[in-house]
Amino acid sequence: GQNIDQPTEMTATEGAIVQINCTYQTSGFNGLFWYQQHAGEAPTFLSYNVLDGLEEKGRFSSFLSRSKGYSYLLLKELQMKDSASYLCAVRAFHNNAGNMLTFGGGTRLMVKP
Amino acid sequence: EPEVTQTPSHQVTQMGQEVILRCVPISNHLYFYWYRQILGQKVEFLVSFYNNEISEKSEIFDDQFSVERPDGSNFTLKIRSTKLEDSAMYFCASRDSVTDTQYFGPGTRLTVL
Repeated sequence: GQNIDQPTEMTATEGAIVQINCTYQTSGFNGLFWYQQHAGEAPTFLSYNVLDGLEEKGRFSSFLSRSKGYSYLLLKELQMKDSASYLCAVRAFHNNAGNMLTFGGGTRLMVKP
Repeated sequence: EPEVTQTPSHQVTQMGQEVILRCVPISNHLYFYWYRQILGQKVEFLVSFYNNEISEKSEIFDDQFSVERPDGSNFTLKIRSTKLEDSAMYFCASRDSVTDTQYFGPGTRLTVL
């Protein structure tokens, strides 16, 4: 099976930097995704890591260490609109089929003025 | 920018009734998925679909559930006899084979009374 852990809640200040961690245990690892989800809305794709290292996309960066089963999402220059849940999702090979995503419980980020 | 669309946005039904949730994936995507999210809980994988057949399904996806691609654009999820515990947000997703990213539709909120 798969186990994905991320903090339940975090609070940060507008303009600051925040790092949201995710640890996972899985066999057949085939990529880690970060999604943003505002309340009552669909998950929106943010970033994807399949190899170790840092992927940067504007204000958002994501890091992966496969040997440690660890990823983080870094959000810079926080804005009020960044208040949302951030979902870590792992993809694993299952009989080479499907490429389903297994999601963590999400980290609810509150950005304060 | 192409998007996954879903209808209806909200469906209310009586326990024991059949419901069909509809999705139009992004037109050049080949892999389709259904996920659900019970209020306040994590996003859970239900089923993946490729080349007109199910490629993977979770334990949640029992005999009460079925999927179909009735034509070249629609992808449907049918629940034969709804239970109270089927109340959730149902998300359809389709995968871009080039970027390996799943894009989610806006969801259908299913309420079973």
